[in-house]
Amino acid sequence: SYDLTQPPSVSVSPGQTARITCSGDALPDQYAYWYLQKPGQAPILLMYKDNERPSGIPERFSGSSSGTIVTLTISGVQAEDEGDYYCQAADRSGTFPVFGGGTKLTVL
Amino acid sequence: EVQLLESGGGLVQRGGSLRLSCEASGFIFDNFAMTWVRQAPGKGLEWVSVISVRGNNTFYADSVKGRFTISRDNSRNTLYLQMSSLRAEDTAIYYCAKAWTSVDLFFDYWGRGTLVTVSS
Repeated sequence: SYDLTQPPSVSVSPGQTARITCSGDALPDQYAYWYLQKPGQAPILLMYKDNERPSGIPERFSGSSSGTIVTLTISGVQAEDEGDYYCQAADRSGTFPVFGGGTKLTVL
Repeated sequence: EVQLLESGGGLVQRGGSLRLSCEASGFIFDNFAMTWVRQAPGKGLEWVSVISVRGNNTFYADSVKGRFTISRDNSRNTLYLQMSSLRAEDTAIYYCAKAWTSVDLFFDYWGRGTLVTVSS
């Protein structure tokens, strides 16, 4: 099976910059996507095709890709940004969705 | 406004069956691939199955292959997941989600989910 690896947790103070990484062997050849899930809620799409923001997502969210690692950056973190962040890509065949294990962002 | 409303979850015995439904509104249903994603209690997201716009192509995670069947009724704007031979490890919230397009398998709208509990 193909794994996307994320750090279990990231902590940051309000106003600081948070970076959440996602690593996978096939990421150099694929796009990555990011979702945010707040407690008791369904996930929402935050970023697509590495660095594209859907409408309604604040500009403080940005994405980047370098080799086998993709990064979600949140500039000027706010308390409302707390939640679980998941990366997604395709499996090695490029066909089926695969999710990372998730990163819990805590705003101190 | 796009809305996805799952139903059909509940408590079922190990080895039993259950059918989930997802009623869609606010978009042209038969223009988009649809998927099921589940989340076990306290765990992360796990992709389960995806279906093409006409329903003629379906794919499954290895963990459910041969036990789950995804289908859709475009005349009713409804997605289904028939689950059989249920196991304790199938206990999860099941979300239906709309794909970005007919071929781009990332998901821009999600339902609130329906809880399936398999008792052992």
